[in-house]
Amino acid sequence: GQQVMQIPQYQHVQEGEDFTTYCNSSTTLSNIQWYKQRPGGHPVFLIQLVKSGEVKKQKRLTFQFGEAKKNSSLHITATQTTDVGTYFCAHQRHSGGGADGLTFGKGTHLIIQP
Amino acid sequence: DTAVSQTPKYLVTQMGNDKSIKCEQNLGHDTMYWYKQDSKKFLKIMFSYNNKELIINETVPNRFSPKSPDKAHLNLHINSLELGDSAVYFCASSPGRAIDTQYFGPGTRLTVL
Repeated sequence: GQQVMQIPQYQHVQEGEDFTTYCNSSTTLSNIQWYKQRPGGHPVFLIQLVKSGEVKKQKRLTFQFGEAKKNSSLHITATQTTDVGTYFCAHQRHSGGGADGLTFGKGTHLIIQP
Repeated sequence: DTAVSQTPKYLVTQMGNDKSIKCEQNLGHDTMYWYKQDSKKFLKIMFSYNNKELIINETVPNRFSPKSPDKAHLNLHINSLELGDSAVYFCASSPGRAIDTQYFGPGTRLTVL
């Protein structure tokens, strides 16, 4: 299956600093999804990108899908303590008819120091 | 109302035992999944069910057997539990379109002693 590599594995920031996590693939991806998992919680869907060069914003979060559809990033401006958690990129394989499972990156753990 | 629910939340058991985890979704979705999250937080798909039919089985040992009595329920039965089975198991569901948002349950933390 298509692998997605995610970096960094851990990121420590001071509250108020920006944060970025990157997701890369050696092959073209039809889609990228981003999920957030709070400590002790479950993954929660954030966004889905399908178009080359797509940029989407959700308040302080900016998501990008590369022109070649091989990489994606999530940028958080002015982090807050509520942003703590693990951010995963994921690719959904699909085989014509129905939905297949997600292939996840290994996640970036965001740790915020007040 | 919880969209995707799992029971139990915690499961502690001895090696060699057989156990089951139950999942239910009230979203009317066609597809359900089981994921395993290991101690390093790596999430890996195990099974996918679409309208009670198994779609994928990602090199999971045959000690793991998913069962879907109807499209709202997907249970996971594990035989002869091993230490390496200790993990958090997440159930998820999606509408079943080609590219889908997945909704995850709260997870079941399985500890094998």
